[in-house]
Amino acid sequence: DAGVIQSPRHEVTEMGQEVTLRCKPISGHDYLFWYRQTMMRGLELLIYFNNNVPIDDSGMPEDRFSAKMPNASFSTLKIQPSEPRDSAVYFCASRKGGSPLHFGNGTRLTVT
Amino acid sequence: GQNIDQPTEMTATEGAIVQINCTYQTSGFNGLFWYQQHAGEAPTFLSYNVLDGLEEKGRFSSFLSRSKGYSYLLLKELQMKDSASYLCAVRDTGFQKLVFGTGTRLLVSP
Repeated sequence: DAGVIQSPRHEVTEMGQEVTLRCKPISGHDYLFWYRQTMMRGLELLIYFNNNVPIDDSGMPEDRFSAKMPNASFSTLKIQPSEPRDSAVYFCASRKGGSPLHFGNGTRLTVT
Repeated sequence: GQNIDQPTEMTATEGAIVQINCTYQTSGFNGLFWYQQHAGEAPTFLSYNVLDGLEEKGRFSSFLSRSKGYSYLLLKELQMKDSASYLCAVRDTGFQKLVFGTGTRLLVSP
C-alpha cells in the first residue's frame, strides 16, 4: 500500500500564476478530500468527492479555486490566479466508506 | 455548523500523563476522531469514538460523552516522540465530512 501520494511536495510561485496540485488516493478508496492547513485556521475542508463526484465544495474559498476528479485514481486542485494569502499546506486524504482518513504528505505552497 | 475547541498548547514531562480536552458543538454527529501530527508531516489516525465511554489503545486512551459534547485524549508514560500536535475531529451524520479543531500542540520535556 503506497498510501496517498501528492505532488509536488513544495511549490513556490508568483502571485497571479496558476498552480495545480495533484493527488493519487489509495486504491479502492471511494472518498477523496482536499484540506488546507494554516497556523491561524488549522485544517480546513475545501471539497470532497465520493466515487469521483464532487459532493460538497462549500469550503472552497472563492472562484479562483477548482477541483476535479476525472477518475478513481487521480484528483487535482487548481488555483488560478494564485495570491499570497493562498500560501498554506494543502493535504489530500482518502478513505473507504466510514473508515478513518488517510492523509498524503501534503504540498507546501508559497505564493510570493 | 460545527465548532470544535481545544487548548492551543500544553507542556508535560517525560514519563508523566497528560489529558487533552476537546469540546464540540455540531449540527450532526457520527463519531469523534483523534489524529496526531508531527511538525512538517501528515496527520495520522490515533483513535475513534462513536459511543460514550473510554477506548484504550496502548499508551493512548480516548473518552467520549455525547451528551456533554466532550472528549479527551489521555497519553500515559509520555515519551519525547509524543511531542506533536493532536487534532480532534468530528464526523457529521451520514459518514460524510470530517471537521477538525485547530489542534493542541504538546511539548514533552525531559
